[in-house]
Amino acid sequence: AQKVTQAQTEISVVEKEDVTLDCVYETRDTTYYLFWYKQPPSGELVFLIRRNSFDEQNEISGRYSWNFQKSTSSFNFTITASQVVDSAVYFCALSERRYGGATNKLIFGTGTLLAVQP
Amino acid sequence: DTAVSQTPKYLVTQMGNDKSIKCEQNLGHDTMYWYKQDSKKFLKIMFSYNNKELIINETVPNRFSPKSPDKAHLNLHINSLELGDSAVYFCASSRPPGTSGRDEQFFGPGTRLTVL
Repeated sequence: AQKVTQAQTEISVVEKEDVTLDCVYETRDTTYYLFWYKQPPSGELVFLIRRNSFDEQNEISGRYSWNFQKSTSSFNFTITASQVVDSAVYFCALSERRYGGATNKLIFGTGTLLAVQP
Repeated sequence: DTAVSQTPKYLVTQMGNDKSIKCEQNLGHDTMYWYKQDSKKFLKIMFSYNNKELIINETVPNRFSPKSPDKAHLNLHINSLELGDSAVYFCASSRPPGTSGRDEQFFGPGTRLTVL
């Protein structure tokens, strides 16, 4: 069965520290897609990144970086030099591709609450 | 311009009532979704429509009835509301899966439903 595990329920860091959010997934599909979303205290869900299963290159976007390793079924997210504005719940998600290509189904992890203290 | 909008943002109602949540997207997407986020922040898909056709119905009680009058709108009607329906409901939309690597789902701001 498809499953996403975010073992870290809450993480608290002090501003400027680096922090890594872990994500482990399970799937029987050979082709799949992984996502990270951010949910700040205001409640909206903000898309951060999408990664194909056949592209294991790491990605960096400013202070954010993602490490995708198929061998360990992990898709970890690192924030460098964290800031108070990074405080949010971060969700990792796996896309289940069925339904004749008509739609996606995102399977979310339980989220990690990141608190960045000033 | 708002990409995915939902109304209302907050909904407080009594058990047994019927209520609706509306969703509209101006992104030109063919696929729309409803997700439920419970009090523990767990997000789970409820329904998905593609081009006005229901594709996913994730064993949701039949008190919940989605309706898609056109590709840009997906509404959610809930009959006989129960305490357990209290949650945040998110609408989302996307391009079809695999669209040139640009098929991520864009979410609306959510509707916080409280059933008393």
